[in-house]
Amino acid sequence: GDSVTQMEGPVTLSEEAFLTINCTYTATGYPSLFWYVQYPGEGLQLLLKATKADDKGSNKGFEATYRKETTSFHLEKGSVQVSDSAVYFCALPLSGNTPLVFGKGTRLSVIA
Amino acid sequence: DAGVTQSPTHLIKTRGQQVTLRCSPKSGHDTVSWYQQALGQGPQFIFQYYEEEERQRGNFPDRFSGHQFPNYSSELNVNALLLGDSALYLCASSLPRGGPYEQYFGPGTRLTVT
Repeated sequence: GDSVTQMEGPVTLSEEAFLTINCTYTATGYPSLFWYVQYPGEGLQLLLKATKADDKGSNKGFEATYRKETTSFHLEKGSVQVSDSAVYFCALPLSGNTPLVFGKGTRLSVIA
Repeated sequence: DAGVTQSPTHLIKTRGQQVTLRCSPKSGHDTVSWYQQALGQGPQFIFQYYEEEERQRGNFPDRFSGHQFPNYSSELNVNALLLGDSALYLCASSLPRGGPYEQYFGPGTRLTVT
């Protein structure tokens, strides 16, 4: 079945460091791909999305490119801030466009 | 524009009891999905409601049931609670199926079973 494999954390970075969180997927066809973020004590927020191959989603300095050749959707940010500390989830639709299958999440801690 | 709201925020129940969680979708959304997020894990899909009917269901036992009302709000019911049901329960709403629409999540209900 469709699935997402996500880099396990935790990841600890210093402020202004470069961030990469790896995500690969297994799916039939070319589903939309999503990154969600969960700040401490909160629900999930959509961070960015890509709906077709070679699309680049971006938001708040984060970027991810839909690579069908490598079935990947890695999350990157050039300079992380303490406020980026959160858990990040890669996800794709189970069937059609909803519901979602999530990776296990990657906890990011950014220290000043 | 109100987002997805859930109630209650926290809940403590005893094994064997029953619980009802509530969700109001984002304005304009008519599809509601429920997820269970165990500590340190990603959310797991429970079921989805559209037009007041359960449309899809994940790998959860029949102890988990739901309902959707004409105003699109939804309830999640869990019977015969087990310790393993302790988790954050997330409700998500979305636009009608057929397009690349992302889901909008509520803040969740933290259920603790003792």
